[in-house]
Amino acid sequence: DVKVTQSSRYLVKRTGEKVFLECVQDMDHENMFWYRQDPGLGLRLIYFSYDVKMKEKGDIPEGYSVSREKKERFSLILESASTNQTSMYLCASRTGLYNEQFFGPGTRLTVL
Amino acid sequence: QKEVEQDPGPLSVPEGAIVSLNCTYSNSAFQYFMWYRQYSRKGPELLMYTYSSGNKEDGRFTAQVDKSSKYISLFIRDSQPSDSATYLCAMSAYRDFGNEKLTFGTGTRLTIIP
Repeated sequence: DVKVTQSSRYLVKRTGEKVFLECVQDMDHENMFWYRQDPGLGLRLIYFSYDVKMKEKGDIPEGYSVSREKKERFSLILESASTNQTSMYLCASRTGLYNEQFFGPGTRLTVL
Repeated sequence: QKEVEQDPGPLSVPEGAIVSLNCTYSNSAFQYFMWYRQYSRKGPELLMYTYSSGNKEDGRFTAQVDKSSKYISLFIRDSQPSDSATYLCAMSAYRDFGNEKLTFGTGTRLTIIP
C-alpha cells in the first residue's frame, strides 16, 4: 500500500513565524503535491513537484514556497505565517504514469 | 463557473438506503474520473477510478459516468454508518501525462443514520 506521512497532525503557530510542513512517501513516486482544504472552497493546489528539485506553482502559491531535495520528501514552507493561512494542509503523491493521487492524513495548522 | 460542481450537502439517509452522489463538469476534455472518501480530520482516500462511460462496480459502490451529459455519480448500496464521510469527485483530461493535475469537486458531506 502507498503510504504518505505528514510530520504533524496539528500545529499552532504565531503570526510572522516561519513554518515547515513535511511530507514523506514510501512508494518511489515521481510526483508530489501540496493542497490546502477549506470549507466551501474544497481542495486548492498550492505547489507540485514532478521530480527532485523541480517545482511548479499551483493555483494559490502566494505566501508559500516548497523544497524537494530528495525524491521521497516534499516540504511546504510558510515564510511568514498569517492568520489567513489557517487551514488543513494535505500532501499527495502519485507515480509519473497514472494520475490517481494518494493523500497523507493532513496537518491542521492554526495561525494565531 | 467552476469546472466541477458538486452539491455540498449535507445529505442524511437512514442505514440500508441507497445513496446517490453526483458531480457535473463543464470541461469536455475530462476523460478520467475518481471518487475519494474523506473521514473527518483525515486525508482523502481513493475509492474508485473510472475512465469510460457506463458503470463500474466495486462491492457496495458503483461509479457511473455519462460523458454526453458531463455527469458522474457514485451509488452506495446498503449504506452503513461507517460510510458517513465527505465524498469528493476528481477528474482529469489525461492519465499518463506527467504534469497532469486533478480538478476536484468541493465534496458532499454524507451522514448515515443508524
